[in-house]
Amino acid sequence: AQSVTQLDSQVPVFEEAPVELRCNYSSSVSVYLFWYVQYPNQGLQLLLKYLSGSTLVKGINGFEAEFNKSQTSFHLRKPSVHISDTAEYFCAEGSGNTGKLIFGQGTTLQVKP
Amino acid sequence: EAGVAQSPRYKIIEKRQSVAFWCNPISGHATLYWYQQILGQGPKLLIQFQNNGVVDDSQLPKDRFSAERLKGVDSTLKIQPAKLEDSAVYLCASSLVPTYEQYFGPGTRLTVT
Repeated sequence: AQSVTQLDSQVPVFEEAPVELRCNYSSSVSVYLFWYVQYPNQGLQLLLKYLSGSTLVKGINGFEAEFNKSQTSFHLRKPSVHISDTAEYFCAEGSGNTGKLIFGQGTTLQVKP
Repeated sequence: EAGVAQSPRYKIIEKRQSVAFWCNPISGHATLYWYQQILGQGPKLLIQFQNNGVVDDSQLPKDRFSAERLKGVDSTLKIQPAKLEDSAVYLCASSLVPTYEQYFGPGTRLTVT
């Protein structure tokens, strides 16, 4: 069965520092990967997606992720974080052709002043 | 454009009671998803509708959970009777067609005591 593993449950970081949130996926066939962000008391919103093509994907709010097939990873990065980036981040993999998403456990990014 | 609406936002019930959640998707979105998000875990798809038909309900505990989308617009998710392990946030999402890029509502936080 497909599974997505987020390697860190919490990542504390100081404002303006770089950050990496790690994600590993399990599928060995066509891979569709996503990062969603959930701000406090809000629904999830799409941050970025990898469907095919360039392995470096850019998203909203200055985030980017790199698809690495050999390491089955899709880590999320930002060179300089802001307090407003404090949120829960979910890595997800697409399953089948009906839009089903398999989510990881989530990583809480805590940006400190 | 109005987002996905959900109500209530919070609900506390005792075990063995019944509860219902309501979702109004973005106008024109034919596909509707219900997810269960247990604390410390990623969202898990419970059921997916295409208009008023069920596409996937493989992870819906059908002995106690039911969902309907009678007119292909609003949807209701019901739990009867509730168990302690049903405590979670129930998320509704919608999309124009079955796709991994979904729009999420703010969720309903259920506490079963």
